[in-house]
Amino acid sequence: ETGVTQTPRHLVMGMTNKKSLKCEQHLGHNAMYWYKQSAKKPLELMFVYSLEERVENNSVPSRFSPECPNSSHLFLHLHTLQPEDSALYLCASSQRVSPDKGYTFGSGTRLTVV
Amino acid sequence: QKEVEQDPGPLSVPEGAIVSLNCTYSNSAFQYFMWYRQYSRKGPELLMYTYSSGNKEDGRFTAQVDKSSKYISLFIRDSQPSDSATYLCAMRTGGFKTIFGAGTRLFVKA
Repeated sequence: ETGVTQTPRHLVMGMTNKKSLKCEQHLGHNAMYWYKQSAKKPLELMFVYSLEERVENNSVPSRFSPECPNSSHLFLHLHTLQPEDSALYLCASSQRVSPDKGYTFGSGTRLTVV
Repeated sequence: QKEVEQDPGPLSVPEGAIVSLNCTYSNSAFQYFMWYRQYSRKGPELLMYTYSSGNKEDGRFTAQVDKSSKYISLFIRDSQPSDSATYLCAMRTGGFKTIFGAGTRLFVKA
């Protein structure tokens, strides 16, 4: 596989559930990101990792917990979410955190909180 | 005021038309300007990347940056139905935080 792969593609969870989103990149990039995309809103940066170290936590509620075990994998752990957290969650990677060539995005996980 | 403003559309054009997509911004420190294309049920893909002012051309696509007016444009020549997608502008200063527009939905009718 090439590029950025996200699983699952779709997820429906109750407000009391715990679930995790997974992202894997096969590009040899050193930076990985989580973005939230809500309808008719700009992409919101959630977390940035550079060489497995978190460099940005953009005022994200603690019910979202990222994990970056190595430079190829990124997780987003979810617990006690709210209905307004329903959105498309996009993972992205880049050569470095100030990329000259922009980001490579995955296809996203469509999350619905019921 | 939002840092980046982008008309959400939708914009509907006939096949073969020239399409003009635009964004305005307020932060004069932005130096890097990008356009992403996002098809339905897919993530955004980088289309054009420019640094500072000027034009950049790639096939049917031309990106234009006017820093004095804080205005960027993407032109699509000879538009095709396969160009139907949402187009996101994006920009950043020298740092790592990229600010995105909300996207313009484009429909190209055959």
